[in-house]
Amino acid sequence: DARVTQTPRDKVTEMGQEVTMRCQPILGHNTVFWYRQTMMQGLELLAYFRNRAPLDDSGMPKDRFSAEMPDATLATLKIQPSEPRDSAVYFCASGLGTEAFFGQGTRLTVV
Amino acid sequence: QQQVKQSPQSLIVQKGGISIINCAYENTAFDYFPWYQQFPGKGPALLIAIRPDVSEKKEGRFTISFNKSAKQFSLHIMDSQPGDSATYFCAASSGTYKYIFGTGTRLKVLA
Repeated sequence: DARVTQTPRDKVTEMGQEVTMRCQPILGHNTVFWYRQTMMQGLELLAYFRNRAPLDDSGMPKDRFSAEMPDATLATLKIQPSEPRDSAVYFCASGLGTEAFFGQGTRLTVV
Repeated sequence: QQQVKQSPQSLIVQKGGISIINCAYENTAFDYFPWYQQFPGKGPALLIAIRPDVSEKKEGRFTISFNKSAKQFSLHIMDSQPGDSATYFCAASSGTYKYIFGTGTRLKVLA
């Protein structure tokens, strides 16, 4: 069945290291979102793409975060350098209308 | 004005009872109101959604009630079951796919 696939599921890294999270959206979906979930802030939208073009990345710290869609089957979220405050669960979601379908998330721990 | 306020933060209901979660918004441009269900270690999953042109939508045991004038909407879970124990998020968007999520309600249904 169609689902959003995220890798890795879990990532532990040291402060200052580069982290790359990957997402395979559901085939045919033209909108891809990146959300971050923490206990304190809840679900925050970091960025979203339509037809691979970035439409809004205002929720993303620009100095260290970057999001791209190299092709229709791959979205990436990169953090460089990572910091302990980046520890969170990062979700990718895709959609073709108003509905958004979420992946399982990448749990990032920066020590 | 972009906030969606959700209450209660947590809820305990007996099996067979009715669970009610409430959300309120300010932005009258919002035109799509989904509810998501999230189990531990999983991504949020779309449960049910409503547009402001109807006052109620029912799918199985789940009902959304929508009050446009009061700018409030609520999720009712009838005949609550232990398997419904999860965190529930309301959200709102204005056609831009930029969901604003509520802070979540942790529901526990006692067997």
